[in-house]
Amino acid sequence: GNSVTQMEGPVTLSEEAFLTINCTYTATGYPSLFWYVQYPGEGLQLLLKATKADDKGSNKGFEATYRKETTSFHLEKGSVQVSDSAVYFCAFLPETSYDKVIFGPGTSLSVIP
Amino acid sequence: GAVVSQHPSWVICKSGTSVKIECRSLDFQATTMFWYRQFPKQSLMLMATSNEGSKATYEQGVEKDKFLINHASLTLSTLTVTSAHPEDSSFYICSASDPLGTEAFFGQGTRLTVV
Repeated sequence: GNSVTQMEGPVTLSEEAFLTINCTYTATGYPSLFWYVQYPGEGLQLLLKATKADDKGSNKGFEATYRKETTSFHLEKGSVQVSDSAVYFCAFLPETSYDKVIFGPGTSLSVIP
Repeated sequence: GAVVSQHPSWVICKSGTSVKIECRSLDFQATTMFWYRQFPKQSLMLMATSNEGSKATYEQGVEKDKFLINHASLTLSTLTVTSAHPEDSSFYICSASDPLGTEAFFGQGTRLTVV
């Protein structure tokens, strides 16, 4: 069935370090892929998305590329900041209309000065 | 982009009372909406699928008599937590997906605290 596997956290990095959070998915067809971010005490925010193979989503210095051959959508950022501390969820929307989002378990990131 | 509005953003209620949470799609028609629950430090758990004009579909383990869902119009779904207890305290989030299946829109979430 549909599922998302995501790198286990928590992840702690120093400011300006390189970030990678791995994500792989199991789905049929060509789902739309997302990364959501949740800051402490807040709701979900869409960070970036990609809707077809080889698309690269990017926002606020974060990037992820839709890899159909490896069913992956790894999140990267070249230089993290303290303000990036949050929980990051990899997710996808199946290739059908009006469907529900399938979420990964989330990865907690803490960036220390 | 499309917006989903959820209200209230937080609520505190006494044990035994009922609480209603509203989810509105502001600029598109949503024949289907979804209700999620998030426990502290965990991911979002799908509770139910709200279908306009028909009964909601509940995920396994979710009590339909406890979490009443009504989707009376194409832009509004409501979740009522009946006879709330402290263990119902949680973060509840609604969402709706666009007809193309390329994006999902989430409400701001409702933090429910039952005392």
